[in-house]
Amino acid sequence: QLQLQESGSGLVKPSQTLSLTCAVSGGSISSGGYSWSWIRQPPGKGLEWIGYIYHSGSTYYNPSLKSRVTISVDRSKNQFSLKLSSVTAADTAVYYCARFSTDYGDYWGQGTLVTVSS
Amino acid sequence: EIVMTQSPATLSVSPGERATLSCRASQSVSSNLAWYQQKPGQAPRLLIYGASTRATGIPARFSGSGSGTEFTLTISSLQSEDFAVYYCQQYNNWPPEYTFGQGTKLEIK
Repeated sequence: QLQLQESGSGLVKPSQTLSLTCAVSGGSISSGGYSWSWIRQPPGKGLEWIGYIYHSGSTYYNPSLKSRVTISVDRSKNQFSLKLSSVTAADTAVYYCARFSTDYGDYWGQGTLVTVSS
Repeated sequence: EIVMTQSPATLSVSPGERATLSCRASQSVSSNLAWYQQKPGQAPRLLIYGASTRATGIPARFSGSGSGTEFTLTISSLQSEDFAVYYCQQYNNWPPEYTFGQGTKLEIK
């Protein structure tokens, strides 16, 4: 059974960079046919897709966040990471990592709350 | 950018009754449409993909229909555990991005 687990700092100061990692177990992140995504959900609000990285290493980001987002993969550790720069209070959210099988997310992490505050 | 619009925002239904949730895309997404259920404090759970295919382990009372721009999620006989927030999500080949609807909260009447 595939499992994803987010980790990283739960508190980030405004203007700094948010960094999260998603550890994948029960399967290889290098398996073809999947993309590995980050999605976020501000408190009490809906889901926003941030971006993804393919098994090949190619990436695609939400145009509204593109200038601040970097997603990378570490195949040796079977994990992928998110960096979001120049954060503000509007970036406070639960951040989820997920595996997408082309057009749907079939495995999700439990989510991790990141608060942006001084 | 493709915009997904769900209606209604809140739906009040009694247990045992049928619930019908709608999702509209601003342009055709073919059948590249998924539905998720989310309960408080939990990650979204995949219910339906390809507009009408139930995910593994999803009860038969959940069904999806539609294509192009109009989609429907039907729950035939509501159980207590079905009261949650439901999201639709599209995938577009180009630009290759995902978009979620704003969600429908299904509450007990």
